Amino acid sequence: DVKVTQSSRYLVKRTGEKVFLECVQDMDHENMFWYRQDPGLGLRLIYFSYDVKMKEKGDIPEGYSVSREKKERFSLILESASTNQTSMYLCASGYRGGGRYSPLHFGNGTRLTVT
Amino acid sequence: AQSVAQPEDQVNVAEGNPLTVKCTYSVSGNPYLFWYVQYPNRGLQFLLKYITGDNLVKGSYGFEAEFNKSQTSFHLKKPSALVSDSALYFCAVRDIGRGSTLGRLYFGRGTQLTVWP
Repeated sequence: DVKVTQSSRYLVKRTGEKVFLECVQDMDHENMFWYRQDPGLGLRLIYFSYDVKMKEKGDIPEGYSVSREKKERFSLILESASTNQTSMYLCASGYRGGGRYSPLHFGNGTRLTVT
Repeated sequence: AQSVAQPEDQVNVAEGNPLTVKCTYSVSGNPYLFWYVQYPNRGLQFLLKYITGDNLVKGSYGFEAEFNKSQTSFHLKKPSALVSDSALYFCAVRDIGRGSTLGRLYFGRGTQLTVWP
């Protein structure tokens, strides 16, 4: 089974801190994604990456950046955390094969609280 | 642009009764549709997908979904609900455009299913 591991389940940070959320997948997937989940809003895409060192903005990239130095690892960075970034963050990975994309595989999420 | 709508925030059903969680979609081109389930404090788990072929798609845990092109719907169904089916359900559509969109998923807002004993 595909495993997507997010390094922290719960995180509490102060306003203004730089925050790193780490995600590692073990299936050699090309594509990796960061979503945030908020009640009533569903999942919104922050950034995604389709290859090492490649990144694309999603729907809500403001206040975030990402890093993909290795294929298995995709990091989300909050440059200066703010209270409106308190949320559940979900990492996902997937691949393309035979001309089709696989379903996405998700990590268990990181619940970030910014105080 | 691709989008999905889940018109019900909550669905309540008695154990043993059939359940339906509704989803409608809007896409340019052929739709690639998915259902995911999220249990408390967990990530999303893939349930089933529709790419092409039969309009009735079978998935995990006894769930199935019916694709209806004329109504642009992809409702999730189960003939007999279990208490353990209580969870948050998300419908999603895949963007199959070329270039940088690269297969990203667009999610609905989610429907909380509660199955009571």
